[in-house]
Amino acid sequence: GNSVTQMEGPVTLSEEAFLTINCTYTATGYPSLFWYVQYPGEGLQLLLKATKADDKGSNKGFEATYRKETTSFHLEKGSVQVSDSAVYFCALRAGSSYKLIFGSGTRLLVRP
Amino acid sequence: GAVVSQHPSWVICKSGTSVKIECRSLDFQATTMFWYRQFPKQSLMLMATSNEGSKATYEQGVEKDKFLINHASLTLSTLTVTSAHPEDSSFYICSVLGEGEQYFGPGTRLTVT
Repeated sequence: GNSVTQMEGPVTLSEEAFLTINCTYTATGYPSLFWYVQYPGEGLQLLLKATKADDKGSNKGFEATYRKETTSFHLEKGSVQVSDSAVYFCALRAGSSYKLIFGSGTRLLVRP
Repeated sequence: GAVVSQHPSWVICKSGTSVKIECRSLDFQATTMFWYRQFPKQSLMLMATSNEGSKATYEQGVEKDKFLINHASLTLSTLTVTSAHPEDSSFYICSVLGEGEQYFGPGTRLTVT
């Protein structure tokens, strides 16, 4: 079946450090891939997405590239800020369904 | 995107009682809403798809008689946990399907004592 695996956290970085959060997936066909962010006390928000192989999603300095050959969608940011501290979820949506399958989430803590 | 609220944000109930959680779409008419359950340090698990004016579609393994879902209007879906037990303690999250994307509520933490 379809599944998403992402690195366990927490990830602790100093401000302005480089961020990578790994995400790999298993799916039949060609899923759409997403990164969601959950700030403390708030609902999940869509951060970025990619709908086909080699697409790059980007938003707020974050980027992720849909790599079909490695079934990956790693999240990166060149210089993190304290305000980026949150939980990040990788997710996929397969076929014509609107259902999302989530990874377990990775907590990011950025220290000043 | 759509703005989604949930009420209450936190509820404690005694074992054997029922508790209702509301999910409201504040600025969007939502034909379809989703209910998720999240265990600590685990991913969100889809429980059911709620369609306005019709019966909800439950995921495999989710007891429909225990988790009653009602989507009576385009702005409100409710999840009622019936005869709650401590193992039902969890974080319940709803989302609204709008323009091909899901917009999430802030979640409701249920603790059953």
